[in-house]
Amino acid sequence: QKEVEQDPGPLSVPEGAIVSLNCTYSNSAFQYFMWYRQYSRKGPELLMYTYSSGNKEDGRFTAQVDKSSKYISLFIRDSQPSDSATYLCAMSDSGGGADGLTFGKGTHLIIQP
Amino acid sequence: SQTIHQWPATLVQPVGSPLSLECTVEGTSNPNLYWYRQAAGRGLQLLFYSVGIGQISSEVPQNLSASRPQDRQFILSSKKLLLSDSGFYLCAWTPSGELFFGEGSRLTVL
Repeated sequence: QKEVEQDPGPLSVPEGAIVSLNCTYSNSAFQYFMWYRQYSRKGPELLMYTYSSGNKEDGRFTAQVDKSSKYISLFIRDSQPSDSATYLCAMSDSGGGADGLTFGKGTHLIIQP
Repeated sequence: SQTIHQWPATLVQPVGSPLSLECTVEGTSNPNLYWYRQAAGRGLQLLFYSVGIGQISSEVPQNLSASRPQDRQFILSSKKLLLSDSGFYLCAWTPSGELFFGEGSRLTVL
């Protein structure tokens, strides 16, 4: 079993819809969870950074962590064509360095105008 | 504010040729620096990381090497490129756990 599982998509939704992106993981030691957005031929951009379980909201984006189920989600409200990108989840058991960071392979999201 | 620069953005190299990719970070001192490779369908692979000048840790044995000649400079090199070295190379730095990436360097080896 891979450490972090993420559906590669593509996930195609109409503009204005609520988008749900998810990752599952197997390592119960993971405590720090991140979501990145990557446009084609660009570097990943950090969207959300959360610690432990719970929700975190930033504008149209909400990150949710359920450690008991080893499941994290990113919700995008009022989706826009500019949200079309690949979304990567990442997680770590320590917050001190990225050498222990494990990435999902990314979900390709398409928002249809 | 801190920024990270990578160059060149794109390059096409023949098999057997050398490689040098450069990365610099501005606005901070003594950052932890990282080189990743992103290949289609394989996700992000950590290649090297550095916690200080001259300190390099390799995650994957391969045809590549890294050096950190200055506090905010990180270089990825190869003496002889292989076809399998093609990919999207990303430099990143972290202030405290979360990674910030550069714009990437796309390498095609022919």
